[in-house]
Amino acid sequence: QTVVTQEPSFSVSPGGTVTLTCGLSSGSVSNTYYPSWYQQTPGQAPRMLIYSTNTRSSGVPDRFSGSILGNKAALTITGAQADDESDYYCALYMGSGIWVFGGGTKLTVL
Amino acid sequence: QMQLVESGGGVVQPGTSLRLSCAASGFTFSTFGMHWVRQAPGKGLEWVAVIWSDASNKYYADSVKGRFTISRDNSKNTLYLQMNSLRVEDTAMYYCARRLTGQSAFDIWGQGTMVTVSS
Repeated sequence: QTVVTQEPSFSVSPGGTVTLTCGLSSGSVSNTYYPSWYQQTPGQAPRMLIYSTNTRSSGVPDRFSGSILGNKAALTITGAQADDESDYYCALYMGSGIWVFGGGTKLTVL
Repeated sequence: QMQLVESGGGVVQPGTSLRLSCAASGFTFSTFGMHWVRQAPGKGLEWVAVIWSDASNKYYADSVKGRFTISRDNSKNTLYLQMNSLRVEDTAMYYCARRLTGQSAFDIWGQGTMVTVSS
């Protein structure tokens, strides 16, 4: 079974730039997987940030951007702020009505 | 405002059943596909099931296929998840989420309902 891979953790300095990635255990991520990204803080429901690779959800700051980098989907945060410290999840549509989430990345801003 | 509110969680023994509900408000429920997503304590998100807006299609993760059934009542603006033959590993917060129209993403989430399977 295909596994969606994410970095378990990442650290960024305030004001810095960080790129989180979302890959496949077998194969490459492309736009046809319709990658989406979610932010979750402790005790809260996830919040959609990006859908269809690079479309920002309404109200999401433009410091968040999505793309395909090489064979992975990517979420880039430019000018990280303290309240960006969260867990970030990607989701891929595998076709045939099946979605898979990545294991998530815990982002620390310090 | 657009809102999803889950209910029906609780503590149950292995092998038993439970039905979760998700009440939608603030949008035309009958025109949106809906998902269930779960999160075990301290773990990541796991997609569970999806149902099309008119219930014409339903799909499940392998981990729940044959045990869980997703359904909806568009007249009541409510989504359901019937969970049978529950296992300890089904212990999780269960979220319902709306499928963004024409997209493969989850744009509105409820706050979740906790299911604990324990003997």
